[in-house]
Amino acid sequence: DADVTQTPRNRITKTGKRIMLECSQTKGHDRMYWYRQDPGLGLRLIYYSFDVKDINKGEISDGYSVSRQAQAKFSLSLESAIPNQTALYFCATSDKSTGLETQYFGPGTRLLVL
Amino acid sequence: GQNIDQPTEMTATEGAIVQINCTYQTSGFNGLFWYQQHAGEAPTFLSYNVLDGLEEKGRFSSFLSRSKGYSYLLLKELQMKDSASYLCAVMGLDTGRRALTFGSGTRLQVQP
Repeated sequence: DADVTQTPRNRITKTGKRIMLECSQTKGHDRMYWYRQDPGLGLRLIYYSFDVKDINKGEISDGYSVSRQAQAKFSLSLESAIPNQTALYFCATSDKSTGLETQYFGPGTRLLVL
Repeated sequence: GQNIDQPTEMTATEGAIVQINCTYQTSGFNGLFWYQQHAGEAPTFLSYNVLDGLEEKGRFSSFLSRSKGYSYLLLKELQMKDSASYLCAVMGLDTGRRALTFGSGTRLQVQP
């Protein structure tokens, strides 16, 4: 089984709809992250959480919200989807205790907003 | 803020050696990562440098010069499966907290 899972893997939605992307991990890591990836722009950080009660905005948080329901679950919501939120979304985790903080990525969610 | 530059695309021949460069500017440097990403897939960790010098791991090596804000990833004995994007990422400080910033990636095409 994969250590970091994302659901759904693909989603098509319409402008104005609210959608939620979910991420779960079995790695036991305390830190979780949401990124989006657009062609030519690389990975950009949306939100990150260092533990259940510690949530922080990243570089491009406008139009997004998150919820850390448990150590293993971190959800990303688009309150009112717009076409320029069409992108590939990745969840990632890292373990503070190692000191290295290597990030491990889920398989990604491909989102299309019409 | 942080700024990372790496070439957009590179082409190399199977069996050859290729060097992918990365330059960066950051506040509070805490390490540099290289990730490999095949098209449509998740990035996977390749290497980490926090001190100056060369880290070798099989066919892949990564070099860091903190004073020059420079790193490179060296891939030896190229194989067709090495065709992928290679992402340079720097751990710096963002409003006092450690944060990882990714470059746009270098798409490597390995030809027969």
